Amino acid sequence: AQSVAQPEDQVNVAEGNPLTVKCTYSVSGNPYLFWYVQYPNRGLQFLLKYITGDNLVKGSYGFEAEFNKSQTSFHLKKPSALVSDSALYFCAVREQSGGYQKVTFGIGTKLQVIP
Amino acid sequence: DTGVSQDPRHKITKRGQNVTFRCDPISEHNRLYWYRQTLGQGPEFLTYFQNEAQLEKSRLLSDRFSAERPKGSFSTLEIQRTEQGDSAMYLCASSSERERDTQYFGPGTRLTVL
Repeated sequence: AQSVAQPEDQVNVAEGNPLTVKCTYSVSGNPYLFWYVQYPNRGLQFLLKYITGDNLVKGSYGFEAEFNKSQTSFHLKKPSALVSDSALYFCAVREQSGGYQKVTFGIGTKLQVIP
Repeated sequence: DTGVSQDPRHKITKRGQNVTFRCDPISEHNRLYWYRQTLGQGPEFLTYFQNEAQLEKSRLLSDRFSAERPKGSFSTLEIQRTEQGDSAMYLCASSSERERDTQYFGPGTRLTVL
């Protein structure tokens, strides 16, 4: 069974500082990995995904994530945090294989950017 | 706005009543997904449609839950004989054949069962 772990319930960072939101995963085969952001009273918004190729993936709003196969991690990063980045961030995984494979989400990490 | 839309946004019902939610995916998206999200948790997969065919159902989807997508466009999720444990946010998402792995989510329907 596939799973995602987001070890931090909340991450606090000062505006202008770099931020990292951690994610580790477990799948039987090769993974597809995703990051989504959820603002209050709104649906999830897609940020970025890793399918194959370059381990560093760039996404929306200046976010990027690094796929590390040996550590089974896919941490989300941004060089300089904005107050408007404060939201709930979800990491998700699905296995690369034939047919439909459901996406499994983590429990989310609340990012608080302090002015 | 051409995003995924869901109706209603909020639903309050009494235990034992039936409720139905609607999802309109992004036009031309042939794949549609339903998720349930409870407080402090990530979305949990419920079911998946490719066009009008329901191809996958989670064990979370008990006999009281049914989903349809009759013409391959909008979808409905019905919960019969609601229970307090059904209180959650119900999210719909869609994706295209070309970018099947990028799911676009609607704003959700928040269900409260009293």
